[in-house]
Amino acid sequence: EVQLVESGGGLVRPGGSLRLSCAASGFTFDNYGLSWVRQAPGKGLEWISGINWNGGDAGYADSVKGRFTISRDNAKNSLSLQMNSLRAEDTAFYYCARGQRPGIATAFDYWGQGTLVTVSP
Amino acid sequence: EIVMTQSPATLSVSPGERATLSCRASQSVSSNLAWYQQKPGQAPRLLIYGVSTRATGIPARFSGSGSGTEFTLTISSLQSEDFAVYYCQHYTVWPETFGQGTRVEIK
Repeated sequence: EVQLVESGGGLVRPGGSLRLSCAASGFTFDNYGLSWVRQAPGKGLEWISGINWNGGDAGYADSVKGRFTISRDNAKNSLSLQMNSLRAEDTAFYYCARGQRPGIATAFDYWGQGTLVTVSP
Repeated sequence: EIVMTQSPATLSVSPGERATLSCRASQSVSSNLAWYQQKPGQAPRLLIYGVSTRATGIPARFSGSGSGTEFTLTISSLQSEDFAVYYCQHYTVWPETFGQGTRVEIK
């Protein structure tokens, strides 16, 4: 069974940093691209970052470019998102999502349950 | 960035009736179009990819159509478990963007 389990969310002050992790199981991890998608409470979905199967290609939404860094460790079946210079508008549920293929820009066939990040004084 | 626009924002439908949801892209996304269902407190679930291919385990009452910039998700006969929010998404290039969602509610 494919599982994606996010962790690392919590309350952080504006300007602070947080590192999210996504532990994957039930599939051959380095056969798939991965992304982070967030959802502010009561709002829609926003793709914020993606990475291909070997980490050689990564992309970001303009809203997080220069502040967030995506990475993966294929030996540990793990995806990470380092979030710096956090703002109130970064408050959201953050989902880890598996792409349908190794490359970039794919639909997402499996999602984690999400981890909540709250940015507040 | 490709902008995805969904209509209507809310659709009121009686159980057993057909629901038709629309999604428009600001430029052609070819066939790189997916639909997701999200229920309260849950993660999104992939319904359709490649405009019209149902994901694993998705019932046949869900169908997708369209091309280029205009797409439709049809639910042929709404069941109680289908009342949810539906999002379209293009995955042509980064950033992959989502529509703002259509809420399907019980009439």
